This record gives sequence, structure tokens and C-alpha cells, in this order.
Amino acid sequence: GAVVSQHPSWVICKSGTSVKIECRSLDFQATTMFWYRQFPKQSLMLMATSNEGSKATYEQGVEKDKFLINHASLTLSTLTVTSAHPEDSSFYICSASSVPGQGWDGNSPLHFGNGTRLTVT
Amino acid sequence: QKEVEQDPGPLSVPEGAIVSLNCTYSNSAFQYFMWYRQYSRKGPELLMYTYSSGNKEDGRFTAQVDKSSKYISLFIRDSQPSDSATYLCAMLKTSYDKVIFGPGTSLSVIP
Repeated sequence: GAVVSQHPSWVICKSGTSVKIECRSLDFQATTMFWYRQFPKQSLMLMATSNEGSKATYEQGVEKDKFLINHASLTLSTLTVTSAHPEDSSFYICSASSVPGQGWDGNSPLHFGNGTRLTVT
Repeated sequence: QKEVEQDPGPLSVPEGAIVSLNCTYSNSAFQYFMWYRQYSRKGPELLMYTYSSGNKEDGRFTAQVDKSSKYISLFIRDSQPSDSATYLCAMLKTSYDKVIFGPGTSLSVIP
């Protein structure tokens, strides 16, 4: 099945620094990648959608200058949390789709990475 | 009213029990339905997906969709301790739409 790899799985950083999280599709070309944030015991909240070679589309309330997303190739998207603060501490999860949008091509709907736990001290 | 509702649990069952997990939704436009399993501190893992109404079976798992009642279910037969996780339902109106997730149900299977 489709594999999405996310790195790092866990990161601690100091307040004011920036952190980059990578999301790779290992065995398929990801036309679209998605970034989610998840607080403890809560569901996934979509932050932004990125399409290869174009600017990301951010959900309402998500600061695009704080959460920089780059989707430079069909297999790699990155999320950079800039000037991190303790309130940015969360579980960040990426997902990837081989079709535009979040559905599927008839065989494989959305697949997720294993998430990155960010702690800002 | 939230678009997708799910009892958060926690649900605790003995090993070998049949587990029933459910979601209700308010928008009749949803056509694609998915169930994900999420272990603690891991990303969601796709378990089952269906289009429109009906049943789908895969091993110990059965997914049911009743569009007339706006109700979907996931049944787990012969539950195992390794099934202990949070189960998220998810749905889409079209294949190009935004996935809407339920809040998840926490399940514990006791040996």
C-alpha cells in the first residue's frame, strides 16, 4: 500500500526558533499533500493543502507566515513552523493523495504519515 | 450541530467481544466514507473505505453505511488487545472535497 514518511517523529525546540518537518510519499507521486494539527484527544484539524509547484492553500485561522509550506516535488512537502512558541506545541501530521483533492483514484484514499510531536520550550 | 458526530468513549470491552463503533452525520451530500485507526502518538491508519451505502467486509472488520439514516458503523469481530486505539470516521462529499473527520472513539480491549 501507499507509504507516507514523516520526519522527524519528535522534536523539541526553544521558543523563537524555527522547525522544519518533512513529509515524503515513498511509493507514489503525491499530487496533493495536506498538513494537519491534532491536539490531545481531539480530531485532526486541516491546516493547509499543498499542490506540487504551487502555493499552499491555508484554512481559515491558520497563519501562513507562521506555518510555511513548500511542495517542491511530487514526493516531498515541508512544513516550517517559524518563530515557534509554546502554544505551537502539538502533533503535526501530513497526508498525501495521488489525485487532486482529498479523495481517491478509486483504489487508495488519503494516507497519513506517522506524525511529528513538536514541543516548544 | 457538528457535521460528524462520534461518541468519544472510552469504550472498554473484553478480548473476543464484538465491537460496534458508530458515527452520525448531518449532510446528506457525503458519499465517501472511511474508517481510520490511530494508535497513541502515531498517524491515522486507513482501515476501511466505502462509497455510498452498503456493507464491506475485510477480515475481522465490517463497515456499514446507511445513508437514509446518515449513520455509519464499524464492527470488529473477535476483538484483540492490539485493537486498542482511537477510531476515526471520515467522510467526503466528492473525491475532490475536504475530508471531514469525526472526533474519534477511544477503544480498549482488555485481555
